[in-house]
Amino acid sequence: KAGVTQTPRYLIKTRGQQVTLSCSPISGHRSVSWYQQTPGQGLQFLFEYFSETQRNKGNFPGRFSGRQFSNSRSEMNVSTLELGDSALYLCASSSGRPGQLYGYTFGSGTRLTVV
Amino acid sequence: GNSVTQMEGPVTLSEEAFLTINCTYTATGYPSLFWYVQYPGEGLQLLLKATKADDKGSNKGFEATYRKETTSFHLEKGSVQVSDSAVYFCALSVYAGGTSYGKLTFGQGTILTVHP
Repeated sequence: KAGVTQTPRYLIKTRGQQVTLSCSPISGHRSVSWYQQTPGQGLQFLFEYFSETQRNKGNFPGRFSGRQFSNSRSEMNVSTLELGDSALYLCASSSGRPGQLYGYTFGSGTRLTVV
Repeated sequence: GNSVTQMEGPVTLSEEAFLTINCTYTATGYPSLFWYVQYPGEGLQLLLKATKADDKGSNKGFEATYRKETTSFHLEKGSVQVSDSAVYFCALSVYAGGTSYGKLTFGQGTILTVHP
């Protein structure tokens, strides 16, 4: 059974550019969440999607956005990149019925470096 | 709000030593509790979980018991190996209602190094 796949693994962008990261969840998982990991702030929740709808959102500026497609694949976009956006971005997919969580499975992440 | 506090690291042990990593939490509602492990250059792997009070999660020799009275979920292993060297994260999620599973709130992570 394939795991959570994130592409690309590494990315280098320039300040002011925008970037799109992709996540393919485990087959059958309908929920996808995104997290940002930095040495200073640790792991912080970005957003959660279920059936193409954003269900939950973290405390990030509007430059961070996401979407989910009908096949549950998800993308997140960061516009007008800042140096502080350099981080490991992790995607997680979830199974189980809402209210009966089985667990979150994480991908290997996309390492974004903004120069 | 929800929060997770882990013991300060890093933790350095000799092979076959006993491991404890403390984790306490505050949460509104009834959280599910998790331990994740992260190896260098990789994402997070679920190590174990517990979804209700007094549940014990276990995997690969690691154990943690959901203690509601002390709001704790300490990770233990009786005999660590060099291959256990990694960063360990305690986390919780609270069902948010509807079709949201609720976000994971993480502790700051504990770096474990095991020497031969």
